[in-house]
Amino acid sequence: DAMVIQNPRYQVTQFGKPVTLSCSQTLNHNVMYWYQQKSSQAPKLLFHYYDKDFNNEADTPDNFQSRRPNTSFCFLDIRSPGLGDAAMYLCATSRTRSSGGADRETQYFGPGTRLLVL
Amino acid sequence: AQSVTQLGSHVSVSEGALVLLRCNYSSSVPPYLFWYVQYPNQGLQLLLKYTSAATLVKGINGFEAEFKKSETSFHLTKPSAHMSDAAEYFCAVSGSGGTSYGKLTFGQGTILTVHP
Repeated sequence: DAMVIQNPRYQVTQFGKPVTLSCSQTLNHNVMYWYQQKSSQAPKLLFHYYDKDFNNEADTPDNFQSRRPNTSFCFLDIRSPGLGDAAMYLCATSRTRSSGGADRETQYFGPGTRLLVL
Repeated sequence: AQSVTQLGSHVSVSEGALVLLRCNYSSSVPPYLFWYVQYPNQGLQLLLKYTSAATLVKGINGFEAEFKKSETSFHLTKPSAHMSDAAEYFCAVSGSGGTSYGKLTFGQGTILTVHP
């Protein structure tokens, strides 16, 4: 089945130690998103890739970076994790088409990676 | 600009009772509207979506929602709650152009509890 895969499901890191979370998709979608979700809150968009174009949200800290080496993979790098970065990180994908106007497709989410910072 | 308001952060129903989760939206362009469900330590699963076709949308697990433009609402309903429906539900709106293109704005979520 086509899907969005996130690894690992649980990640423990130390304060200040760089960490990378990964996302892959078999949907062949051209847009990939990274969200941060803290306990009892809605997901918050960090950034997204529209094809190879990177789009950062204005309030995303510089501590968060992303890479998309190809259509299938996208990585979230946290350069110096702080205690406040402990959260669930969700990857999502969507497909956009243009046919006399853009169509927004549904965002499909992976299972998430829960990050714990010690 | 777009926004979503979910009325009630917690809703509790008895098994077999009607489920009604409220969502109101604000959007300067015709919206796409979504309901997602999230089980503990899981990602978001799409329940249903409105994309300017039929105003009554049927989704998975017996859920449906009705788009009411005059009320700017997209409430989620299910005639008979099941224990397995206990989860957190998010309403979301997607813009149709400009800087909000393709981006989801989520409501704060509603936790549904189902009692035996």
